[in-house]
Amino acid sequence: DGGITQSPKYLFRKEGQNVTLSCEQNLNHDAMYWYRQDPGQGLRLIYYSQIVNDFQKGDIAEGYSVSREKKESFPLTVTSAQKNPTAFYLCASSIQASGTYEQYFGPGTRLTVT
Amino acid sequence: AQKITQTQPGMFVQEKEAVTLDCTYDTSDPSYGLFWYKQPSSGEMIFLIYQGSYDQQNATEGRYSLNFQKARKSANLVISASQLGDSAMYFCAMREIYTGANSKLTFGKGITLSVRP
Repeated sequence: DGGITQSPKYLFRKEGQNVTLSCEQNLNHDAMYWYRQDPGQGLRLIYYSQIVNDFQKGDIAEGYSVSREKKESFPLTVTSAQKNPTAFYLCASSIQASGTYEQYFGPGTRLTVT
Repeated sequence: AQKITQTQPGMFVQEKEAVTLDCTYDTSDPSYGLFWYKQPSSGEMIFLIYQGSYDQQNATEGRYSLNFQKARKSANLVISASQLGDSAMYFCAMREIYTGANSKLTFGKGITLSVRP
């Protein structure tokens, strides 16, 4: 079955540590995205990538970094510079970034930093 | 200014009845797309329905339909014959084609729907 996988589902880290969230898709989509969701809120875009080896900052990129070395993979690193990292993180992909193609989402990773 | 507004408090509907979830949007872009997503308690975002700004007819997908009123800038989701599994958060989102930056979807804050047996 085609889809997007994110691992792990729950992640716990100590403050000051970097942590990397995994996102893999087998939909052959060119575009991939990372969103953050806080309780009772909608999603906010962190980073997106239109093609391999290319990515752009979203609305709240500070304290995060990404890479896109393979079409299937778009890992997100939450660095120690992110002041409020505890949140629900969702990865998404779409056929391409332009146009109005819907985005398909993974199951999400709930990150707790103490 | 908020681009997507979802102001309804938690909504309740009786099983098998229809329910309308409100969404208003704000854009000066002549070309845009409107999306509705469902987020059950598991957290995954599930795409439900899409409406393009130039589409002449309201979009429909099974039990979901979109009441698109362009002049009023509203894109309400109608769920017919509600089922218990429809209990979830529902998000309205917009993608602006020309003025929107970064290929992003702009999301509203969501509406909680609870279906009563």
